[in-house]
Amino acid sequence: GENVEQHPSTLSVQEGDSAVIKCTYSDSASNYFPWYKQELGKGPQLIIDIRSNVGEKKDQRIAVTLNKTAKHFSLHITETQPEDSAVYFCAARGTSGGSYIPTFGRGTSLIVHP
Amino acid sequence: DAGVIQSPRHEVTEMGQEVTLRCKPISGHDYLFWYRQTMMRGLELLIYFNNNVPIDDSGMPEDRFSAKMPNASFSTLKIQPSEPRDSAVYFCASSFGQETQYFGPGTRLLVL
Repeated sequence: GENVEQHPSTLSVQEGDSAVIKCTYSDSASNYFPWYKQELGKGPQLIIDIRSNVGEKKDQRIAVTLNKTAKHFSLHITETQPEDSAVYFCAARGTSGGSYIPTFGRGTSLIVHP
Repeated sequence: DAGVIQSPRHEVTEMGQEVTLRCKPISGHDYLFWYRQTMMRGLELLIYFNNNVPIDDSGMPEDRFSAKMPNASFSTLKIQPSEPRDSAVYFCASSFGQETQYFGPGTRLLVL
């Protein structure tokens, strides 16, 4: 099945700086890569996703990039704000082994200091 | 839609007691997932259903855990007997197809 590694586990930035979270995956046939944000006391919520036929996708201050050759994808947050503080999860949906359910990374705790 | 609904939101119980967690998925969704979240192990997929049928329960820790989905609008996760190491936040999520999952607010379980 799919294996997703995510790093760093903790990221601390100053307000206004950029933040980058990176993930690698093992199944070269994976075709869908969502990112979730989990605020304190809540369940994870989808913030952006990308498919394997696209190399980059942007939505206001967040962007995702995908490098299929290297099997890694990244989340970029620009002009960070205190409300961006949360745990972020990447996921990858493999297509081998009979499972088509996204596998989640371990999460990155992002702290934005005012 | 109200989103995924979970109950109870908090549960404190004593070791050996039976615990039942409940989930109402978003109407029209055909997949339902149960996850467990701990600091040590992160977000673990326990089991998922497609059209009310369990598809993969390989993440269920042991026989003390069981899950059912009697109809498209209700699922339960039961732990019997509960142990302190079961203390965690349990999330239910649903999706239409195999992509975007919508998570509930979670049930915070503490087993004393």
